[in-house]
Amino acid sequence: GAVVSQHPSWVICKSGTSVKIECRSLDFQATTMFWYRQFPKQSLMLMATSNEGSKATYEQGVEKDKFLINHASLTLSTLTVTSAHPEDSSFYICSARDIGLSLRETQYFGPGTRLLVL
Amino acid sequence: QKEVEQDPGPLSVPEGAIVSLNCTYSNSAFQYFMWYRQYSRKGPELLMYTYSSGNKEDGRFTAQVDKSSKYISLFIRDSQPSDSATYLCAMGYGGSQGNLIFGKGTKLSVKP
Repeated sequence: GAVVSQHPSWVICKSGTSVKIECRSLDFQATTMFWYRQFPKQSLMLMATSNEGSKATYEQGVEKDKFLINHASLTLSTLTVTSAHPEDSSFYICSARDIGLSLRETQYFGPGTRLLVL
Repeated sequence: QKEVEQDPGPLSVPEGAIVSLNCTYSNSAFQYFMWYRQYSRKGPELLMYTYSSGNKEDGRFTAQVDKSSKYISLFIRDSQPSDSATYLCAMGYGGSQGNLIFGKGTKLSVKP
């Protein structure tokens, strides 16, 4: 149980294009999903908290107009990197909280999406 | 001072050794403590979860929390090459947000 999937697993795009990453909770419902970014040899950095049916909450320094987040259902959140640039190249990981579990603080992570912007 | 401090390593041990991984924290408001394992180019996988001081054991893994010293540890007994990964500690305040604060991760290598 508690499986989170991400699609695509990797993407290469040209500078200036937009990239959409999907995060799905496969066997549980998640009112809250989180988006992280991880640069090489660095820890996870929280970008935003996504709540189903409401606007995402972005961390300080994260441009909400550049990283569009949509959490349209209890099992799906999407992150769109708009007008991507090489400095946006990173490993993007989502996580989800299972509302049915008593350990609600537990986050289950997807496998990550590696983005390379040329 | 960062909220969560974790020695990044790398840590290299022979197969069968006991591994000790540690994190310290500065905010006494943290209520939940977790350890995640992350293999290269993969998402983190939850290993252990605890919310009280003391020890919690799961197979070869033991999580230890000392709230008075603001110190948590993960012990791995009889380490295996398959344990080679980066281990991240994470802490949460609880409540509706559920945000976690992660350590930088310790890279562990278990040599056969």
